[in-house]
Amino acid sequence: ETGVTQSPTHLIKTRGQQVTLRCSSQSGHNTVSWYQQALGQGPQFIFQYYREEENGRGNFPPRFSGLQFPNYSSELNVNALELDDSALYLCASSDRGNGYTFGSGTRLTVV
Amino acid sequence: AQSVTQLDSHVSVSEGTPVLLRCNYSSSYSPSLFWYVQHPNKGLQLLLKYTSAATLVKGINGFEAEFKKSETSFHLTKPSAHMSDAAEYFCVVSLYNFNKFYFGSGTKLNVKP
Repeated sequence: ETGVTQSPTHLIKTRGQQVTLRCSSQSGHNTVSWYQQALGQGPQFIFQYYREEENGRGNFPPRFSGLQFPNYSSELNVNALELDDSALYLCASSDRGNGYTFGSGTRLTVV
Repeated sequence: AQSVTQLDSHVSVSEGTPVLLRCNYSSSYSPSLFWYVQHPNKGLQLLLKYTSAATLVKGINGFEAEFKKSETSFHLTKPSAHMSDAAEYFCVVSLYNFNKFYFGSGTKLNVKP
């Protein structure tokens, strides 16, 4: 049973809109990272937060942003949605490198 | 540039035979390496990790992997495949003290009865 929960599980948005995805990490895990997994591909690293500060970022534009809160929850925000943003978005938490626990993801469809 | 390459997109084995899933990485630094498994419509589960300790790493469900620096490889093996092993497997390299992560493109393992 995973200790990381993501909401919502599925979401449909229109191109140009903004979306917020949420993640609740395992208690005590001060590191959270977000990934985009397009259909048939491996997850792509979006960014990582450690103690509420971004400390690593993949090749994603600034319209992908995030927040981490003191209660171990976090958000991924995507502005100006594009059709190619349709994907499974995964959140993972860790106590600093000791393997990451992944949530089941949010399936985002942009139409 | 740092990256990870999974050499086979699909591997098919018979139940009870050995499994070999291949992974090569490129890195200018000492990497940390992981293998994850993803069952259909499920999240990613950590199988094992290498973080510069023993080069032969044992994981869950009978899987193990050997870090070979000279070959820049981290292949995943299991002596005897079970039907429940059918899933997609991802090799992951972590750099800069776990501040960046790179996933391979995945290997789909099919296990035949």
